Amino acid sequence: GQQLNQSPQSMFIQEGEDVSMNCTSSSIFNTWLWYKQDPGEGPVLLIALYKAGELTSNGRLTAQFGITRKDSFLNISASIPSDVGIYFCAGSSGGGADGLTFGKGTHLIIQP
Amino acid sequence: GAGVSQSPSNKVTEKGKDVELRCDPISGHTALYWYRQSLGQGLEFLIYFQGNSAPDKSGLPSDRFSAERTGGSVSTLTIQRTQQEDSAVYLCAAGWGGDYEQYFGPGTRLTVT
Repeated sequence: GQQLNQSPQSMFIQEGEDVSMNCTSSSIFNTWLWYKQDPGEGPVLLIALYKAGELTSNGRLTAQFGITRKDSFLNISASIPSDVGIYFCAGSSGGGADGLTFGKGTHLIIQP
Repeated sequence: GAGVSQSPSNKVTEKGKDVELRCDPISGHTALYWYRQSLGQGLEFLIYFQGNSAPDKSGLPSDRFSAERTGGSVSTLTIQRTQQEDSAVYLCAAGWGGDYEQYFGPGTRLTVT
């Protein structure tokens, strides 16, 4: 089946720093999604990308759909304490009937 | 409601018992998905409904797992004769189908003792 390689696995940063994480795949996706999950909660959608090359922002978050359709990155600028959590990339292809394929997540930890 | 709701939020059951997990999706979202998340892992896709129909059940981990959806709305995931390896968070998501985004509920944490 399809697999997404998400990196880094974890990040320890200082408040105010910028953050960058990415996902790569061996196969093509039609849609790339980025979610954030807090402990005990379900994933919350941050950004949805539908077109190769698309660059989309949501406040301090920016994500891009790679030209090859096999990768995506998420940047967070000027991190704040509430950014702590696990960030997941997810891809969709084939009309969605196979559900989303998820990366294993990037655990963001902000040191005061 | 405004979002996807799931019940119960937590379920502890003894090995061998049956459990039923419920998902109440966002009104108007025709597609519904079930996923499983094991501790510290990403999400594993289980099954997808478009309306009341599940075209492909091959993602279900074993024949002890079944799911149904009625009225194009509420869905239940049933696990028969639960095993310890079934312990996980079961997440439901709603969407419009196709390659569109999905919106997740808070999940049901299942613990099999």
